[in-house]
Amino acid sequence: NAGVTQTPKFQVLKTGQSMTLQCAQDMNHEYMSWYRQDPGMGLRLIHYSVGAGITDQGEVPNGYNVSRSTTEDFPLRLLSAAPSQTSVYFCASSYSPGGGGYTFGSGTRLTVV
Amino acid sequence: QQQVKQSPQSLIVQKGGISIINCAYENTAFDYFPWYQQFPGKGPALLIAIRPDVSEKKEGRFTISFNKSAKQFSLHIMDSQPGDSATYFCAASGGLYSSASKIIFGSGTRLSIRP
Repeated sequence: NAGVTQTPKFQVLKTGQSMTLQCAQDMNHEYMSWYRQDPGMGLRLIHYSVGAGITDQGEVPNGYNVSRSTTEDFPLRLLSAAPSQTSVYFCASSYSPGGGGYTFGSGTRLTVV
Repeated sequence: QQQVKQSPQSLIVQKGGISIINCAYENTAFDYFPWYQQFPGKGPALLIAIRPDVSEKKEGRFTISFNKSAKQFSLHIMDSQPGDSATYFCAASGGLYSSASKIIFGSGTRLSIRP
């Protein structure tokens, strides 16, 4: 059972470039979310989805887009990368927004130069 | 009202000592209080969780103490070991299967256990 799979694990981007961070889960979870983790800032919610076709903004959504065309996949798109988006990104999924079975991926470390 | 406040930000404990991390919340509708453990280079993973109908839950060396009237809960790690060195996050939500209340995380505590 793979759980939550994130790719890539590491990425270096130049300012202004765009890219997509991939997230897939095989637990049939309805709720999926993206966080960024910065030193001393904890986990900050970027976007979340309560099911296929439904997404909403979290605490720090600017500069990021998401879509949810299937239950399994929840990609995060950086539209025009900025140095302020240098961070570690985590995708997570659970049965519900309340957190039952909340499972995190192993993260993507992104550096924007 | 949705915040979960966690302290301290960092903690150093000698091997064999007791590590204590505290969290406080304001939303009385919160009904599920998990703790997550994160090792360097890994994603957070569920460590232990409690519901407010009990005041304490113990799993091995890890104990959650819950004070409903004070709206506080804490993680105690007994006989702390170097392998416990990690970042710990408390969290709260409206319920394990709640569709209305998203899980909210504290800011994290970086725990270091000195040999």
